[in-house]
Amino acid sequence: DIQMTQSPSSLSASVGDRVTITCRASQSINRFLNWYQQKPGKAPQLLIYAASSLQSGVPPRFSGGGSGTDFTLTITSLQPEDFATYSCQQGYSTPITFGQGTRLEI
Amino acid sequence: QVPLQESGPGLVKPSETLSLTCTVSGGSINNDYWSWIRQPPGKGLEWIGYIHYSGSTNYNPSLKSRVTISTDPSKNQFSLQLRSVTAADTAVYHCARLLRKAAAGPHFDSWGQGTLVTVSS
Repeated sequence: DIQMTQSPSSLSASVGDRVTITCRASQSINRFLNWYQQKPGKAPQLLIYAASSLQSGVPPRFSGGGSGTDFTLTITSLQPEDFATYSCQQGYSTPITFGQGTRLEI
Repeated sequence: QVPLQESGPGLVKPSETLSLTCTVSGGSINNDYWSWIRQPPGKGLEWIGYIHYSGSTNYNPSLKSRVTISTDPSKNQFSLQLRSVTAADTAVYHCARLLRKAAAGPHFDSWGQGTLVTVSS
């Protein structure tokens, strides 16, 4: 199985800040890396697919980058609704695996 | 994106079978891949498996011996059965649509909000 490791596990920030979350794969996954946002009691939302493609309807302050084993999710100018948990997911091979999540807090 | 809604018992006894159903609205189940994903309390997301509308399935090897995913096209639903459950199977269970595009790779574009299933006597 491909292991996905996110850092940091939690992050404190303020409205207007720029933050970057990192996801590392245990082997190369090309660009088959996706990012999701989760809020308590809500359906997870796809933000970024294929490492850097913005899902329809997602604000452009979200961006993704990377390839191979190292990937980033960057949020510029944090908004109050962005405080949530973010998870990465590899689609290179089955079993599909996720990172452990990064909790973004005020 | 399509709305998805999970349903099923919130409490299951140890050694019994967990059964959940996902209803797909606003789109036909006779397309795409349909998946189950779970999240134990305080832990990350775990992919359980997926089914293609043709009936082909792919399961996480860690659960494969206990899992069956099936579809009911007449009701636009797909279902999860997890046998011989233990407390370790306590989790929020999500259903999701898995898009498999050659260039973009597999990604989950639509999710249900999830249902908590507790395994306890």
